[in-house]
Amino acid sequence: DQQVKQNSPSLSVQEGRISILNCDYTNSMFDYFLWYKKYPAEGPTFLISISSIKDKNEDGRFTVFLNKSAKHLSLHIVPSQPGDSAVYFCAASEYTGTASKLTFGTGTRLQVTL
Amino acid sequence: EAQVTQNPRYLITVTGKKLTVTCSQNMNHEYMSWYRQDPGLGLRQIYYSMNVEVTDKGDVPEGYKVSRKEKRNFPLILESPSPNQTSLYFCASSPPRQGPMAGYTFGSGTRLTVV
Repeated sequence: DQQVKQNSPSLSVQEGRISILNCDYTNSMFDYFLWYKKYPAEGPTFLISISSIKDKNEDGRFTVFLNKSAKHLSLHIVPSQPGDSAVYFCAASEYTGTASKLTFGTGTRLQVTL
Repeated sequence: EAQVTQNPRYLITVTGKKLTVTCSQNMNHEYMSWYRQDPGLGLRQIYYSMNVEVTDKGDVPEGYKVSRKEKRNFPLILESPSPNQTSLYFCASSPPRQGPMAGYTFGSGTRLTVV
């Protein structure tokens, strides 16, 4: 049972435009949501996170929006740059009392074209 | 430089031959974890460790073992590898949960092929 879903395996966007990556989840116990970026032959790198008590978090060109009622979050990248081309993983955190367990989505491959 | 180091980066082995993938972090993190990445399945947690001598199963622990004898090291052991363990493996670490979620630091990955 996939608790975190990224339904778009790939996305192509022109340089300078907005990239919107989407993620849906099913577990109401998730208390943080994160986005990771992964280049080929490298490990995922943390990009941005949002607490479940907020609906927006912004960091430079990256903004994450959370809609708790819809169990949906999205990552906006504005403006998109060729260096943003990578696989983006959505992740959700559930604090078990001893650890923060991260559950990942399947990833969306973003290609930013010139 | 703060980092998580995995070795080897690439490994081809035969079914049944025991192997160990090492993971080391230099950030004094308590929490360490192993993930595998497979096409269409994303990253799935294999095992995690809260601290020295404290380990627990993740979502896909079958066929794997781990140990945490020192804080910095968290090796992944495949006692009898099988072809379905062919995958890309990542080790990750994080500090104790405090305040906003800062995310895990991941290693560069180990691509394992079992023939």
